Parts: sequence; C-alpha cells; structure tokens
Amino acid sequence: DAGVIQSPRHEVTEMGQEVTLRCKPISGHDYLFWYRQTMMRGLELLIYFNNNVPIDDSGMPEDRFSAKMPNASFSTLKIQPSEPRDSAVYFCASSLGGLSNQPQHFGDGTRLSIL
Amino acid sequence: AQSVTQLGSHVSVSEGALVLLRCNYSSSVPPYLFWYVQYPNQGLQLLLKYTTGATLVKGINGFEAEFKKSETSFHLTKPSAHMSDAAEYFCAVSGTGGGNKLTFGTGTQLKVEL
Repeated sequence: DAGVIQSPRHEVTEMGQEVTLRCKPISGHDYLFWYRQTMMRGLELLIYFNNNVPIDDSGMPEDRFSAKMPNASFSTLKIQPSEPRDSAVYFCASSLGGLSNQPQHFGDGTRLSIL
Repeated sequence: AQSVTQLGSHVSVSEGALVLLRCNYSSSVPPYLFWYVQYPNQGLQLLLKYTTGATLVKGINGFEAEFKKSETSFHLTKPSAHMSDAAEYFCAVSGTGGGNKLTFGTGTQLKVEL
C-alpha cells in the first residue's frame, strides 16, 4: 500500500520566494497533519484537517504560512514570502478515524532550505 | 493539557546490550501513548502504541514498552541492541477526548556501538 507521499523531497530557494509543499495522504484517511521539524524546536504541529476542513491552525507561525486541502487526496502548505528561518524539514501525516488511539502515518518529509 | 518528557537526548549502548529509553507523560485524561522511530532522512514510523488493556506492549523490531500509571511512565526497551537500531526515538501522547492530535517529546538519539 502506498504511504503518505510528499513532494518535493528537497527544496532550495531564495528568501522572498513563494514555496509550496505538497502532500497526498493514505487513501481513506480522514485526518491530515502538517508538522515542522528543526533542531532548535523539535517536532511542531502546524495545522491539521479533518475531512478536508482545518480543525486547529494554532501552530501556524505567521500569516506567511497557509495550508489548504481542496480534496481528500491532496493538501498544500504554502509559505509566502519565505524567510531563512523557515528552513526546516516539513512532514505531512495522515490517520484514520477520530479516535485518539489511531496512529499517524508520516511521509518522508520535504527538506526546505531558504537562502 | 498533555506533555511528554524524554530523559536523555542522547543514549549510547553497545551492540547486544539492553536498550532503555525513558518517557514520562502528563495528561489530564487517560492517555494513549505511542513510540515512533525516525531513521535519517525519513519520516516517523510507528513502533508501538498503548491504548487500553495489557500494559506491556510489544512492537516491531523487538521493542516493547510498559505503561505504568502510578509512575506516569512509558519507557521503551529492547533486550539486545542491534546496529540497525541507531535512530531517533520519539514518545507521544494523545488524550481520549477525541481527535488525533499528538503531543511529541523532544526525542532521544540512540547510538549503537560495536
């Protein structure tokens, strides 16, 4: 079975540019999560969706960050404009069902470098 | 509110030795607890989880963890370390109140030496 698919795997861009990260969750999963991982702050939850609707975006650091889920099989995380401090690994995860005992399945991440 | 504390950001063991990674949690509701492993340049993979029932949980790759409510702990163990176990390990907690939001610990980097 295909797992969570993220693209691109690596992204290098200059400060001020728009960055779009993409995620395809596991088919049938109704929860989708976006995380950011850095050495300094560890793993941070940015936002999560249930049935394509954003439920909690309290972890989104600034208005420069936005996330959408236009359908059950696709989500984007956009940064505009990007800054060097946005450099991190961004993970997408999905899970099935609304019970807290269901594990999250992670993609391999997008390593983002802002120059 | 929930939180997770992982004692020791770096743990080093010899190949064949016992692995013990510590995790303590705080939760206002009965918790669900998870251990994830992250290999270099990969996402997190589920090792094992505790939801209800038996407090000793067995996971993949020979790992197990025991839920101890009195100690608010969920330590991860493996009797004999293998070189392939070198990775970062994350403990996480969610509440029984619904939703799948996880609170992660800061991670423990496991090094296995010959």
